[in-house]
Amino acid sequence: KQEVTQIPAALSVPEGENLVLNCSFTDSAIYNLQWFRQDPGKGLTSLLLIQSSQREQTSGRLNASLDKSSGRSTLYIAASQPGDSATYLCAVRPQGGSEKLVFGKGTKLTVNP
Amino acid sequence: DVKVTQSSRYLVKRTGEKVFLECVQDMDHENMFWYRQDPGLGLRLIYFSYDVKMKEKGDIPEGYSVSREKKERFSLILESASTNQTSMYLCASSWSSGANVLTFGAGSRLTVL
Repeated sequence: KQEVTQIPAALSVPEGENLVLNCSFTDSAIYNLQWFRQDPGKGLTSLLLIQSSQREQTSGRLNASLDKSSGRSTLYIAASQPGDSATYLCAVRPQGGSEKLVFGKGTKLTVNP
Repeated sequence: DVKVTQSSRYLVKRTGEKVFLECVQDMDHENMFWYRQDPGLGLRLIYFSYDVKMKEKGDIPEGYSVSREKKERFSLILESASTNQTSMYLCASSWSSGANVLTFGAGSRLTVL
């Protein structure tokens, strides 16, 4: 059974720092991996989607990488800002036709001014 | 932009009441999902629908039912609400192929007294 783990559960950094969020998954047979952002009391917003054949995706200050063989993905945030404070979740879509994503529990990021 | 609209942001219901949570998406997505999110437990899939009148159970379907009579609308029904169903409920939708980015609604916070 696929399991997705995000460590640490919480992270606090000063403004301007570059940071990396980690996501690991137990089964490398995935179709794609998504990173989401969730603000308190709100729904999730998709940030980046990486197909299994891709190594990375970039959007603005965000860069997500995927290493399927080792079961890892990282989300790199450059020059962090207080507005980046949120919970970041990753989710994998298993291969085999399933539409059901498997989510990690998220990393709560606080960027201090 | 795809919009997923959940009819109620906050609901307060009594134990034993029948509760309807409505979700509408405007991008002709084939797939629609209902999740619940609880502290420490993350997102858990309740039900999934891949077409009109089609549904699949998720990880925690007990105590819930769903209805999808039209492609754009997916309803979650709590036949007899209980206090352990107090939670944040999140609806999402996606295409069934390609870069099937999952788009979420803003969430419905249900409190059962």
